[in-house]
Amino acid sequence: QQQVKQSPQSLIVQKGGISIINCAYENTAFDYFPWYQQFPGKGPALLIAIRPDVSEKKEGRFTISFNKSAKQFSLHIMDSQPGDSATYFCAASGNNNDMRFGAGTRLTVKP
Amino acid sequence: GAGVSQTPSNKVTEKGKYVELRCDPISGHTALYWYRQSLGQGPEFLIYFQGTGAADDSGLPNDRFFAVRPEGSVSTLKIQRTERGDSAVYLCASSPSWKTGELFFGEGSRLTVL
Repeated sequence: QQQVKQSPQSLIVQKGGISIINCAYENTAFDYFPWYQQFPGKGPALLIAIRPDVSEKKEGRFTISFNKSAKQFSLHIMDSQPGDSATYFCAASGNNNDMRFGAGTRLTVKP
Repeated sequence: GAGVSQTPSNKVTEKGKYVELRCDPISGHTALYWYRQSLGQGPEFLIYFQGTGAADDSGLPNDRFFAVRPEGSVSTLKIQRTERGDSAVYLCASSPSWKTGELFFGEGSRLTVL
């Protein structure tokens, strides 16, 4: 049932570096692609999202790149900070709004 | 207290027992979701309500799992004859509109079946 595949499982980045997390989806009916951030003991929280009518969306240090033909999208975190250390989930949903999540990437930003 | 509230935060039960998990969504949110998250995994979709009705229950693993939302607000996830494999964090999320896409999650109910 895994409709959204995410990689890598874990990522270690030095402070100030760029973190890149990738996702691929199968269902061409998906039309909303969010990234969620989760800290231990908390529920996931929306970080940034994109719809397929654009190829890139930037909010502060966070950018989503979207490739509709390849059915792939990625999250880039510029100038990564120790406070960014968390688990990141990509997700996708369609008209019926059933949000499906990837398996997650545990990001560690070393000071 | 404007966020999604889930109770209990922790539940320990014995194999074979019945469990209810409650979700109180953000006021005015019409869509409500239940997910199950095992350690080190992403949220696994269980069921989605639009108003009082289950719009999609395709993620419920078997007939031991059932969820209701009788008045279109609070929802209860019910698990009968619990098994050790049901141990996980059960997350509830709500959304202001079925078209918006953004989900607001609670902190989850951690279920441990001994």
